[in-house]
Amino acid sequence: KAGVTQTPRYLIKTRGQQVTLSCSPISGHRSVSWYQQTPGQGLQFLFEYFSETQRNKGNFPGRFSGRQFSNSRSEMNVSTLELGDSALYLCASSLGGDRLNTEAFFGQGTRLTVV
Amino acid sequence: KNQVEQSPQSLIILEGKNCTLQCNYTVSPFSNLRWYKQDTGRGPVSLTIMTFSENTKSNGRYTATLDADTKQSSLHITASQLSDSASYICVVRGSGGSYIPTFGRGTSLIVHP
Repeated sequence: KAGVTQTPRYLIKTRGQQVTLSCSPISGHRSVSWYQQTPGQGLQFLFEYFSETQRNKGNFPGRFSGRQFSNSRSEMNVSTLELGDSALYLCASSLGGDRLNTEAFFGQGTRLTVV
Repeated sequence: KNQVEQSPQSLIILEGKNCTLQCNYTVSPFSNLRWYKQDTGRGPVSLTIMTFSENTKSNGRYTATLDADTKQSSLHITASQLSDSASYICVVRGSGGSYIPTFGRGTSLIVHP
């Protein structure tokens, strides 16, 4: 059974640009969550999608957005990149989302560097 | 403000020894608490999930405890192995308006031979 796949693994962007990250969940999982991890702030929740609907959103500016497709694959987009957006972006998939206390499986992450 | 505090920040132990990591939280109302292990450069891996009614849960050499009254959890690692060297992260979810997960900063564990 394939795990959670995130692409690309590494990305270098310039300030002001935008970026789109992709996450393919485990087959059959309908929930995808996104997280930002930095040395300074640790792990922080970005948003959660379930069956194409955003169920929860963390405390991030509107430059961070996401969506989920009918096949449960998800993308997140960051517009007008800032140096502080440099981070490891992780996605996790689960069967029913956290409300069902189901186990979440993380991808390897996308390492974004903004220069 | 919901907070999750983990201690110690870092820990060094010898292979074969036991250790206990702590997690204190203020999240309320409480939904569940999860412990994750994160190896350097990799995504976190779930160790345990505990809800309000559970006070102990084991996963191999890992045993988590939860005291929902005092809002404390611990992760006990028995007979440590070199592969246990990693960051251990405690995550707490509330319910209702506190549903967004709150992460601890993690405990960095190093196991020496």
